[in-house]
Amino acid sequence: KQEVTQIPAALSVPEGENLVLNCSFTDSAIYNLQWFRQDPGKGLTSLLLIQSSQREQTSGRLNASLDKSSGRSTLYIAASQPGDSATYLCAVTYQKVTFGIGTKLQVIP
Amino acid sequence: NAGVTQTPKFQVLKTGQSMTLQCAQDMNHNSMYWYRQDPGMGLRLIYYSASEGTTDKGEVPNGYNVSRLNKREFSLRLESAAPSQTSVYFCASSEVGGTPSGYTFGSGTRLTVV
Repeated sequence: KQEVTQIPAALSVPEGENLVLNCSFTDSAIYNLQWFRQDPGKGLTSLLLIQSSQREQTSGRLNASLDKSSGRSTLYIAASQPGDSATYLCAVTYQKVTFGIGTKLQVIP
Repeated sequence: NAGVTQTPKFQVLKTGQSMTLQCAQDMNHNSMYWYRQDPGMGLRLIYYSASEGTTDKGEVPNGYNVSRLNKREFSLRLESAAPSQTSVYFCASSEVGGTPSGYTFGSGTRLTVV
């Protein structure tokens, strides 16, 4: 059974800092891995999708990497801003999608 | 904007009442899903529809029924609501093919059962 773990559960950083969010999964047989952002009381917004054949994806200040063999993905956020404050979830897909519980990020002005 | 539309956004039910949550997508996706999100438990799959005309149980199907009305629409019904069904419900869709695409989520329905 696939399990997805995100550590830490919560993170607080000062504005401008570069940061890394971690996602680990137990079964390396995946089609893709997706990072989402969820604002309080809102739905999930897709940030980056990495197919199993890819090593990383970039969008603006965000960079996500994937290491299938070690069962790990990282989401790198450069020059963090207060507007980045949200919960970040990762999800892996094989025959079904398994979500992590998320990392709650607070960027302090 | 293209995406997944859920209605209603908020609902309060009394125990034993029934209701249907509606979901529609305009991206021509084949697969649709219903999730519930509870604090500390993450997203849990209730039901899914891999393609038009098919539905299957997910992780927590008890107390729910679904209908894939057509390719665009996938509804979730609570026949007799219970306080344990208080949650935030999300509908999602995805294109499943040779290279599975990611999920697109609706904005959610916040349901309270009293």
